[in-house]
Amino acid sequence: GAGVSQSPRYKVAKRGQDVALRCDPISGHVSLFWYQQALGQGPEFLTYFQNEAQLDKSGLPSDRFFAERPEGSVSTLKIQRTQQEDSAVYLCASSLGTSRANEQFFGPGTRLTVL
Amino acid sequence: DQQVKQNSPSLSVQEGRISILNCDYTNSMFDYFLWYKKYPAEGPTFLISISSIKDKNEDGRFTVFLNKSAKHLSLHIVPSQPGDSAVYFCAASAQGGSYIPTFGRGTSLIVHP
Repeated sequence: GAGVSQSPRYKVAKRGQDVALRCDPISGHVSLFWYQQALGQGPEFLTYFQNEAQLDKSGLPSDRFFAERPEGSVSTLKIQRTQQEDSAVYLCASSLGTSRANEQFFGPGTRLTVL
Repeated sequence: DQQVKQNSPSLSVQEGRISILNCDYTNSMFDYFLWYKKYPAEGPTFLISISSIKDKNEDGRFTVFLNKSAKHLSLHIVPSQPGDSAVYFCAASAQGGSYIPTFGRGTSLIVHP
């Protein structure tokens, strides 16, 4: 079956522009995570959904970042008024259940470059 | 403040030999640990995990050792193969909340033929 897909794979934005990043999780997966990975760093947690409910958004760096998963499937991460420090790879992951023993399956990421 | 530290950014090993990747953590509440492997332009893939009730977990060529008193874990790959060349991330999570894993910065492993 298909894995986690993300689009676009690459996005170049001018500073101040709004961007929307899409994640299609594995069908039936309850949990969905967004991570930000800066160059030379490990993935850093942004936000977590269980079905359509956003249970944890403690990792969102500012109120310019907003995520939604309205029907409990596809998720969108929106960044308003992008800044250069937002340049990173944004990873989405999904898992079947809500236990940490449930493996997280990662998408290939969206590489965002803000000029 | 790095709660999960991978102090070696890179490691080079000869094919057939053992690769040992190390990871240290500072948060004593961490009780579940994972290793992920990442190829360029792909997302990380889960490799192996260990709960704090164990000190060793083995899966084929991959073994993870956990030393709770030292807050240290290591991933052993025996024998190493060129296809193992990738970036390896150590991650840890604590009970409670949504079990969000905290990742280290990764170690780039190169296995030479």
